[in-house]
Amino acid sequence: EVQLLDSGGGLVQPGGSLRLSCAASGFTFSDYALTWVRQAPGKGLEWVSSISKTGANTYYADSVQGRFTISRDSSRNTLYLQMNSLRAEDTAVYYCMRGYSAPDNWGQGTLVTVSS
Amino acid sequence: DVVMTQSPLSLPVTLGQPASISCRSSQSLVYSDGNTYLNWYQQRPGQSPRRLIYKVSNRDSGVPDRFSGSGSGADFTLRISRVEAEDVGVYYCMQGTHWPRTFGQGTKLEIK
Repeated sequence: EVQLLDSGGGLVQPGGSLRLSCAASGFTFSDYALTWVRQAPGKGLEWVSSISKTGANTYYADSVQGRFTISRDSSRNTLYLQMNSLRAEDTAVYYCMRGYSAPDNWGQGTLVTVSS
Repeated sequence: DVVMTQSPLSLPVTLGQPASISCRSSQSLVYSDGNTYLNWYQQRPGQSPRRLIYKVSNRDSGVPDRFSGSGSGADFTLRISRVEAEDVGVYYCMQGTHWPRTFGQGTKLEIK
């Protein structure tokens, strides 16, 4: 069974940093691109970032470009999102997804709250 | 960026009746490999989204056959032949052809 387990969220002050993780199981990790999507409280879905199967190609939304870094570790079957210079508008539930053209499985989400 | 426009944004439906959601993109979603990466997701209250339909019309495993997707180019539709109580939630279209990926605003389906 494919599983994606998101973790690492929490309360952080504006300007702070946080690293999200997504532990994958039930499939061959290196065969799939991966994606982060977020959902602000009461709002719709927003694509954040994607990474290719090998990690050679990364893509970012303009809203996070230069502040967030996506990466993956095939030895740990884990996807990461390093978030720096966090702003109030980054407050959201962050989900990892498998794939980036037709993403199928989703994690359960992890809540990031940016507030002083 | 490709803008995805869904309508309606609110969809009250009587149990057993059909429902239809439109999704239009600001440019064609046909990719260079010939595929059209238009996907539909359902988010039930309090849950993570799940994929229902991929590449316009392919239903995911476990998705009831009352759900169907159609369309081409820049004009797509999700149809539910007979709405059931478990279909309550928000439905999103998402394009996976162009960077950045983009979602529609979401359509909230409720039972009348």
